[in-house]
Amino acid sequence: AVQLVESGGGLVQPGKSLKLSCSASGFTFSSYGMHWIRQAPGKGLDWVAYISSSSGTVYADAVKERFTISRDNAKNTLYLQLNSLKSEDTAIYYCAKGYYVMDAWGQGASVTVSS
Amino acid sequence: DIQMTQSPASLSASLGETVTIECRASEDIYNGLAWYQQKPGKSPQLLIYNANSLHTGVPSRFSGSGSGTQYSLKINSLQSEDVASYFCQQYYDYPWTFGGGTKLELK
Repeated sequence: AVQLVESGGGLVQPGKSLKLSCSASGFTFSSYGMHWIRQAPGKGLDWVAYISSSSGTVYADAVKERFTISRDNAKNTLYLQLNSLKSEDTAIYYCAKGYYVMDAWGQGASVTVSS
Repeated sequence: DIQMTQSPASLSASLGETVTIECRASEDIYNGLAWYQQKPGKSPQLLIYNANSLHTGVPSRFSGSGSGTQYSLKINSLQSEDVASYFCQQYYDYPWTFGGGTKLELK
């Protein structure tokens, strides 16, 4: 079965950095595009970034120039580097498999940006 | 960016009832629409893609319809396990965008 497990979340001060990881199993990771989607407390879903199987990337305007999505196919792992964090980046960050639709999601990693 | 507007924001229904949730896109998205279910404290799960195709393992009481800018998700014979938030998502154009969500509760 497809399994996605996020890690690396935590409490971080404004302006600092954090790196999230998403470990994938149960499918041929290198063949699929992957997304990061976030959800602020009590709010809806907000798409963050996408990386294709060939490592092409697309970002939401709100995180462009601050966040970087990457992947290591040898380790079956997806990453999200979060720099220059703001309070409005506080959210649960989900990784998800797919291109057009997200057909499998991880359990999420909580990121809290606060001084 | 394509804006997705869902309605209602919340609704309360009885067991066995039929429920319909609407999603309107700010422009034609040519059936590039998915629906997700998010149960309390859990991650979202794909229900419907291409506006009306049921994802593997999703009960047949769920169905999707629509075209152009107007889409809907219907749940027939509401079950207790359907208590959740539901989100639409367009994938016709970058950036991928979600509706604001509909919270479904039992009456």
